[in-house]
Amino acid sequence: SQQGEEDPQALSIQEGENATMNCSYKTSINNLQWYRQNSGRGLVHLILIRSNEREKHSGRLRVTLDTSKKSSSLLITASRAADTASYFCATYSGNTPLVFGKGTRLSVIA
Amino acid sequence: SQTIHQWPATLVQPVGSPLSLECTVEGTSNPNLYWYRQAAGRGLQLLFYSVGIGQISSEVPQNLSASRPQDRQFILSSKKLLLSDSGFYLCAWSAGHGIGGEKLFFGSGTQLSVL
Repeated sequence: SQQGEEDPQALSIQEGENATMNCSYKTSINNLQWYRQNSGRGLVHLILIRSNEREKHSGRLRVTLDTSKKSSSLLITASRAADTASYFCATYSGNTPLVFGKGTRLSVIA
Repeated sequence: SQTIHQWPATLVQPVGSPLSLECTVEGTSNPNLYWYRQAAGRGLQLLFYSVGIGQISSEVPQNLSASRPQDRQFILSSKKLLLSDSGFYLCAWSAGHGIGGEKLFFGSGTQLSVL
């Protein structure tokens, strides 16, 4: 079953702009993680945010978590063509493996 | 450092033929191991996971099976492939004793086409 739902499904922006992707989930979580997948490749972990955290930063990435709304957002600032990829959120609710959403396809146009 | 190897990268198999995909992890002990499947343009579906040798948990009933004959080896198998088995298969590992929400490290995937 899929817990997270990313929005939008696809996003196209110009290089230098910021990209924001959202993830909504249904049940309470212990943590939420964001992953990136280049076409035809495996996923790469970007950032993990715990249920008691509200915001985390890693380089040009900023993740927020609102447990009251059961939602998270991933912001990529000053996007580059190399950021073109699919981005997935995944939730951990305890005792069972991560459940992934369907992803957001980001295209950054140079 | 830890590495994960998954092979083959691509595979084209006829319907009804057997399947064996192998995944090995290096540089760590007692990893949790996972098999996910990704249909074209879709999210990841968890197929199997293992917290130790010989311990396999199945998430989706189907004609696939998994085995963990060694600590760092995870094998996905089928006796007879179906058209619906086509997809991108990803192996992953995480650290820790049991499933604890740690981050996953993925292999490079196997693109399986069943014709």
